[in-house]
Amino acid sequence: QKEVEQDPGPLSVPEGAIVSLNCTYSNSAFQYFMWYRQYSRKGPELLMYTYSSGNKEDGRFTAQVDKSSKYISLFIRDSQPSDSATYLCAPETGANNLFFGTGTRLTVIP
Amino acid sequence: EAGVAQSPRYKIIEKRQSVAFWCNPISGHATLYWYQQILGQGPKLLIQFQNNGVVDDSQLPKDRFSAERLKGVDSTLKIQPAKLEDSAVYLCASSPGSTRGGETQYFGPGTRLLVL
Repeated sequence: QKEVEQDPGPLSVPEGAIVSLNCTYSNSAFQYFMWYRQYSRKGPELLMYTYSSGNKEDGRFTAQVDKSSKYISLFIRDSQPSDSATYLCAPETGANNLFFGTGTRLTVIP
Repeated sequence: EAGVAQSPRYKIIEKRQSVAFWCNPISGHATLYWYQQILGQGPKLLIQFQNNGVVDDSQLPKDRFSAERLKGVDSTLKIQPAKLEDSAVYLCASSPGSTRGGETQYFGPGTRLLVL
């Protein structure tokens, strides 16, 4: 079993839609839950992160973590064509040792 | 602020040949990481340096991969000999080097390796 499972998609939505991206994990030692965004032929860039369980909002983006069910979510409201990218969940144990999911490729259609 | 620099951007070699990748991290960043990203997968950590010491190299195939970080700044990753399954993007990342978790890692553009 992989430590982090993520639906690879691809996911295609119309502009303005709400997008839900999800991951599950198996390692109870994970404390920080990062979301990275990767545009085609670029390196990943940090979008946002959550420490432990709970929600965190940053503009149109909301990250949720439920440690009891080992479930990680990222919601994008009012999705824009510029949001088209691959989204990677990447939890870590506190040692800055990222465990990336496979990534979900998102396309927002104008 | 200049980002993480990597070279070359692309490399095509034949199996059993050797290849080396170079990374220059963001100035002042103590921690440097090398990741392997196979097509359709997320990056996998190969090695993590703190200054010029190795923190984690548990997933580095040491029979063919080697990495060094000279004077705690630039780093090179070498593959010798290369196999077909080494075809991937090799990403370098750096971070300031806090002992606290949740630190942002800044990634370079990667080197695309194709082994024929």
